[in-house]
Amino acid sequence: AQSVTQPDIHITVSEGASLELRCNYSYGATPYLFWYVQSPGQGLQLLLKYFSGDTLVQGIKGFEAEFKRSQSSFNLRKPSVHWSDAAEYFCAVVRSSKLTFGTGTRLQVTL
Amino acid sequence: SQTIHQWPATLVQPVGSPLSLECTVEGTSNPNLYWYRQAAGRGLQLLFYSVGIGQISSEVPQNLSASRPQDRQFILSSKKLLLSDSGFYLCAWSPGTPDNSPLHFGNGTRLTVT
Repeated sequence: AQSVTQPDIHITVSEGASLELRCNYSYGATPYLFWYVQSPGQGLQLLLKYFSGDTLVQGIKGFEAEFKRSQSSFNLRKPSVHWSDAAEYFCAVVRSSKLTFGTGTRLQVTL
Repeated sequence: SQTIHQWPATLVQPVGSPLSLECTVEGTSNPNLYWYRQAAGRGLQLLFYSVGIGQISSEVPQNLSASRPQDRQFILSSKKLLLSDSGFYLCAWSPGTPDNSPLHFGNGTRLTVT
């Protein structure tokens, strides 16, 4: 069965520092992958998606993610974090036309 | 542009009471519609999805049911709430299947069963 793993439950970074959030999936074929962000008490907003093609995808708010088949990973990155990036981040994968989410990584940004 | 509305935003209900959460989508037709639940400290769990009026697929056996009486309306219901039904409920829509189109989420309903 396909699954999505986000190994880091909680991450704290300083404003201006770089960020990488990890996501690993288990799926035999090329997956469709997404990153969503959730601010407290809010719904989820799509940051970026990977369907095919270029393995480095650009998203909104300065985020990017790289699909690495050899590592079964789709890590989210940002070169310089802003205090407003504090939120919960979810990686998700599609299989059998259903979207399955990881358990999320909560990002805290210190000033 | 398309928008999705969920209400209420917050709800506190006693155990054994009924539940009705409503979700509507504007600016599109024949969307795929979804209900997810997010429990504290856990990821999102798909509860129901619908590809058309009256077509509901259930993902997890539970105390809840869903209905789609109109093309852009999706309702989550329960006849008798349990404590374990507490959580954050999110409605979402997509123009096609998740294989080719991302989901767009509403702002959610925080349900507390007391």
